[in-house]
Amino acid sequence: SQQGEEDPQALSIQEGENATMNCSYKTSINNLQWYRQNSGRGLVHLILIRSNEREKHSGRLRVTLDTSKKSSSLLITASRAADTASYFCATDRLTGTASKLTFGTGTRLQVTL
Amino acid sequence: GAGVSQSPRYKVAKRGQDVALRCDPISGHVSLFWYQQALGQGPEFLTYFQNEAQLDKSGLPSDRFFAERPEGSVSTLKIQRTQQEDSAVYLCASSLWGGASTDTQYFGPGTRLTVL
Repeated sequence: SQQGEEDPQALSIQEGENATMNCSYKTSINNLQWYRQNSGRGLVHLILIRSNEREKHSGRLRVTLDTSKKSSSLLITASRAADTASYFCATDRLTGTASKLTFGTGTRLQVTL
Repeated sequence: GAGVSQSPRYKVAKRGQDVALRCDPISGHVSLFWYQQALGQGPEFLTYFQNEAQLDKSGLPSDRFFAERPEGSVSTLKIQRTQQEDSAVYLCASSLWGGASTDTQYFGPGTRLTVL
């Protein structure tokens, strides 16, 4: 079963605008990661934020984490057409054997020229 | 190779047929994961290998699903007597270790299975 949900399910913006996606999850976590998935391609890891961190930046990406609300947000600044993709948050819980990821339902981002 | 590869990329099977999906992880990666992604959904964990040992198969939906990694490198996911609900994209991922929660998982392009 899915760990959480992304909001909105779909987002359409123009190139140059900022895109914000939210993720909510249900259980305690070690870390939260964001992935991007282009049509017909695999998942690409974007950024990881640890449970004791509140904000993290990587290039045009900014991720926040609020463990008290069990939520995270991904901000993409100055969006480009190439950012068109589905974005997933994924949480992991160390089970004793492996860090298996539990993904949300995804946000489909469309960036138009 | 440079990344995780999977074959075939597309597979169409008639209901009741057996299928085998192959994953070639990044060379030297200890951990290998299989995920199932239904249309419009996020991936869901199926099973995990550390080298040749299958340490977690809690996500396999039924005993028709079987995975192996006999030499600790290439892995095969086999689905017996396929059903329509098995239609999905099957993703393979590998990571250098896997035991650390900060270890990045690198995903392959997936195999899209369609069961008619």
